[in-house]
Amino acid sequence: DADVTQTPRNRITKTGKRIMLECSQTKGHDRMYWYRQDPGLGLRLIYYSFDVKDINKGEISDGYSVSRQAQAKFSLSLESAIPNQTALYFCATSDTRTGPGYTFGSGTRLTVV
Amino acid sequence: TQLLEQSPQFLSIQEGENLTVYCNSSSVFSSLQWYRQEPGEGPVLLVTVVTGGEVKKLKRLTFQFGDARKDSSLHITAAQPGDTGLYLCAGKAPGGTSYGKLTFGQGTILTVHP
Repeated sequence: DADVTQTPRNRITKTGKRIMLECSQTKGHDRMYWYRQDPGLGLRLIYYSFDVKDINKGEISDGYSVSRQAQAKFSLSLESAIPNQTALYFCATSDTRTGPGYTFGSGTRLTVV
Repeated sequence: TQLLEQSPQFLSIQEGENLTVYCNSSSVFSSLQWYRQEPGEGPVLLVTVVTGGEVKKLKRLTFQFGDARKDSSLHITAAQPGDTGLYLCAGKAPGGTSYGKLTFGQGTILTVHP
C-alpha cells in the first residue's frame, strides 16, 4: 500500500456541487498539506496542518476547507465547486523528526463542468 | 511571499546531452529541495540541500545550493530517456511561523529523446 493514499484518483463534478477529497497516510508523519497543481504554475499551497488541532490557510484557501480527522487523515472540501477549481490536487506529509522533505500522494484529478 | 523562478520551463534534448535547470529567488531559504514528477504520480524527493555552496551528487545528477542560499541548480550529465519528467525545486523559509511549508517553483518539463 502507498504511504500516502488519495481518493478518489479522478472525479468529474458539476458546478455548485460540494465535493470532498480524502487523504490518509501510514508514515506516522505529524504534518499534512494540500496543494493544487496547474500547468505552468507549479504547486500552490491550499491548507496545511502541523498536528490534529492545528489548521492553517495557505496562499489559495478561498473556496476550500479542510478537516484533520486524525493524525493520519486530512480531507479537503470544495464547498461549491467552480470550473476554475479544475486541477490536479496533491496531499503531502512531512515530519519534524525526519527533515523537510515531503511525501506526496498520487494526486486527484478534479474536473468541474 | 517567497517566490522561486525556475528556468527553462521546457527542455527537449537528445539522449547523451548535458543540461542544467536553474531555480532562483530574491529570498533566502533555509533549505532547498528538488523533486521529480512523472505523469499520473506525485512528486518524489530527489535531494535536499541545506548549506550555502553545498553540492550533492545522485548518480548523473548534480545539485548545488548557492552560497547565499537564494538559488540552486540541477545538472544532468549524459541524459537518458528515463530522465524525462517534470522537475520541481522547492524552498523552505527560515524559521518562524512558516516552518515546514515549502514554496515550489513552476517546474521544468524535461524530454529526453532516444
